Amino acid sequence: QSVLTQPPSVSAAPGQKVTISCSGSSSNIGNNYVSWYQQLPGTAPRLLIYENNKRPSGIPDRFSGSKSGSSATLGITGLQTGDEADYYCGTWDSSLSAADWVFGGGTKLTVL
Amino acid sequence: EVQLVESGGGLVQPGGSLRLSCAASGFTFSDHYMHWVRQAPGKGLEWVGRSRNKANSYTTDYAASVKGRFTISRDDSKNSLYLQMNSLKTEDTAVYYCTRGAFHAMDVWGQGTTVTVSS
Repeated sequence: QSVLTQPPSVSAAPGQKVTISCSGSSSNIGNNYVSWYQQLPGTAPRLLIYENNKRPSGIPDRFSGSKSGSSATLGITGLQTGDEADYYCGTWDSSLSAADWVFGGGTKLTVL
Repeated sequence: EVQLVESGGGLVQPGGSLRLSCAASGFTFSDHYMHWVRQAPGKGLEWVGRSRNKANSYTTDYAASVKGRFTISRDDSKNSLYLQMNSLKTEDTAVYYCTRGAFHAMDVWGQGTTVTVSS
């Protein structure tokens, strides 16, 4: 069981918009920045969003991030078949004796 | 070009040891925290641990699942990060990624190296 909760899967048609949620608590999302990662099949993950809503250079503005309280959301507009991937949220968690990094369980995006 | 390249993976018996390496290039390695992240077959991402940078005395933190068995070290003169894995268990079987810490995230990832623990 992951500390951060994501839906196992989401789907939408090409051109549509999809959102992926990431739910946590005050010990992680509530008091820390959230980042999002995309993992295309058979490849290493790559950073999509950092500090809740910022995009690294090279990431299209179709990808957006937001955070409210202890939850975060990744939004993807103008869906393309190439967006089919697993998406993970991540942040620090300070509920244990020392701060640990935690990931959500991942969400598989299917573009129908 | 900013790049991380892992090596050292392979097949090892339960109870055995393995040392992974990560060669960094294209950035000032000593400035950055560095992490190891793993992914078991068909599973999600799991943080293994991190090494802080020189300014923070190279201190390390580990996930509970590997604490006492795994050790992270680095050699800034060689732009390299290491993961010494001892007392390996079958559940340590995974692809191991080296990542760079920046902007409260992991902004650069290596291609991964596969570790298989099996008799």
